[in-house]
Amino acid sequence: DAKTTQPPSMDCAEGRAANLPCNHSTISGNEYVYWYRQIHSQGPQYIIHGLKNNETNEMASLIITEDRKSSTLILPHATLRDTAVYYCIVRVVNTGNQFYFGTGTSLTVIP
Amino acid sequence: NAGVTQTPKFRVLKTGQSMTLLCAQDMNHEYMYWYRQDPGMGLRLIHYSVGEGTTAKGEVPDGYNVSRLKKQNFLLGLESAAPSQTSVYFCASMVSGGIGTQYFGPGTRLTVL
Repeated sequence: DAKTTQPPSMDCAEGRAANLPCNHSTISGNEYVYWYRQIHSQGPQYIIHGLKNNETNEMASLIITEDRKSSTLILPHATLRDTAVYYCIVRVVNTGNQFYFGTGTSLTVIP
Repeated sequence: NAGVTQTPKFRVLKTGQSMTLLCAQDMNHEYMYWYRQDPGMGLRLIHYSVGEGTTAKGEVPDGYNVSRLKKQNFLLGLESAAPSQTSVYFCASMVSGGIGTQYFGPGTRLTVL
């Protein structure tokens, strides 16, 4: 699976949009981009995933660049409860279905 | 529907002792996983299973054994615990194949003295 690069930490003001970048320049055509988050040592929680197109659900939006070498997770109105470590993962479907978690981005939402 | 549960939540072992961590899921998922997470680090895959009776090694399998005798349960064993195995252990499950997402348990905090 392709490697990902994320900034180690970010701050965001409460109520503002949080934009978390992820670089995956070696991604191949059959690899999906997934985002998970981990709130204070709890089990990671799925947020969103995508292949080529931008995706949106009730939690977040995922913007994938046209060349698919990077993506951005957008939390439209960050709240204090969004303070967590966010992991960007790319994986090939149906290859043991292993997920490789890096160290992620620690997002702090500031009141 | 309890999702993914892990037993126990906390455990303290002495070096050389053995123990088994139990992961149970009630979502009829085919795939199950064991991860460990050390302070300040991401999750690392220990072992995984793609179905009842099957297991496979992940990124850091040494010192651990696993068994999947029933579809709903995935056991992680430490035969002779070492201080380096002090960590938080997470179990996860996923629907087979496709673009399924992993569902995680709450974790087991293990300390080996």
